[in-house]
Amino acid sequence: DTAVSQTPKYLVTQMGNDKSIKCEQNLGHDTMYWYKQDSKKFLKIMFSYNNKELIINETVPNRFSPKSPDKAHLNLHINSLELGDSAVYFCASSLSVRDLTYEQYFGPGTRLTVT
Amino acid sequence: AQTVTQSQPEMSVQEAETVTLSCTYDTSESNYYLFWYKQPPSRQMILVIRQEAYKQQNATENRFSVNFQKAAKSFSLKISDSQLGDTAMYFCAFMIVETSGSRLTFGEGTQLTVNP
Repeated sequence: DTAVSQTPKYLVTQMGNDKSIKCEQNLGHDTMYWYKQDSKKFLKIMFSYNNKELIINETVPNRFSPKSPDKAHLNLHINSLELGDSAVYFCASSLSVRDLTYEQYFGPGTRLTVT
Repeated sequence: AQTVTQSQPEMSVQEAETVTLSCTYDTSESNYYLFWYKQPPSRQMILVIRQEAYKQQNATENRFSVNFQKAAKSFSLKISDSQLGDTAMYFCAFMIVETSGSRLTFGEGTQLTVNP
């Protein structure tokens, strides 16, 4: 009964390839996020979706494209992978502004290694 | 823009002792939320404690408590009776809620090691 799940947990690929990371939450939340944790462990938001609508889009290369088929899923597709894309990518979810707690629940992370 | 600063990259403490992790932040907002997250070697991000800025009372969760000083924009985490399982990276995080959605801004993290 995992709350926020991500697949795969590990992804090793070569430069130039295209890859996707999937995220699903079964908490009934309506807002989902992607965060990137770099090699120095620094976490930064990339995107956020509310009810399948893109809400937050930080300064992220166009090679990164999130897609939300429904409010329980938020996938991250990365084109033309570069060495600098190597990082841990976290998916998170929360209730929208109606929820006074605003707590975000994180998935287990996907470690992407680009060789 | 909001910034969060954790000035202690690494800390260590003996088992059963108390340790305090520091965090300062900068914002012009008056209504916001502060969090401490723990990331053990398993990589999972675990919420440790939450503080609403409009609440004067410091939050506590079992062995974890915070010292929230709003005027000083300080939000430190105290861990009492440290346990080996507390060994982890600890992140301070700040959040404002906007009509366009909320986002967490994280500090750089503090690696805490609990020694037996």
